[in-house]
Amino acid sequence: EVQLVESGGGLVQPGRSLRLSCAASGFTFDDYAMHWVRQAPGKGLEWVSGISWNSGSIGYADSVKGRFTISRDNAKNSLYLQMNSLRAEDTALYYCAKDMEAVAGSPDAAFDYWGQGTLVTVSS
Amino acid sequence: DIQMTQSPSSLSASVGDRVTITCRASQSISSYLNWYQQKPGKAPKLLIYAASSLQSGVPSRFSGSGSGTDFTLTISSLQPEDFATYYCQQSYSTLRGFTFGPGTKVDIK
Repeated sequence: EVQLVESGGGLVQPGRSLRLSCAASGFTFDDYAMHWVRQAPGKGLEWVSGISWNSGSIGYADSVKGRFTISRDNAKNSLYLQMNSLRAEDTALYYCAKDMEAVAGSPDAAFDYWGQGTLVTVSS
Repeated sequence: DIQMTQSPSSLSASVGDRVTITCRASQSISSYLNWYQQKPGKAPKLLIYAASSLQSGVPSRFSGSGSGTDFTLTISSLQPEDFATYYCQQSYSTLRGFTFGPGTKVDIK
């Protein structure tokens, strides 16, 4: 059974940093691209960042480019999101999602498994 | 950037109804369109990928169609467990990311 378990969320002041983690199990982690998707309270889904199976291709939404860094450790079956210079508008539930493809940015991509999310609240 | 719109933004329907949700892209995205279902307090679930391919385990009452700029998600006979919000997502142009539509909420009439 595929499982994605996010952690690392919490309350943080504007301008500070936070690192999210996603522990994956039940599939061959290094065969697939992985993504972070967020959902602000009461709002829709927003793709944040994606990374290919071998970290060779990485992408970011314009809203987080230069502030967030995605990474993965295939030996640990883990995905990460380093979030710096956090803003109030970054407040959201952050989901880790598995891609059906190996390469982030493939047009055949679809997110077939999702974690339950970790809540990030940016407030003073 | 490719913009995605959905219509309607919400609808009320009864069990057994046929429901159709439309998604439109601001430019052609071929068949690179996915559909997700999200229930309150839950993570999204992939229903349809590549415009018309049914994800494994998803009931056959769900179907997708379309190509280019106009796409449709159809629920042939609405069931109680189908009341949820539905999102489309394009994967054609990912330079700016995998754009989601704003969602369509389906609730009980």
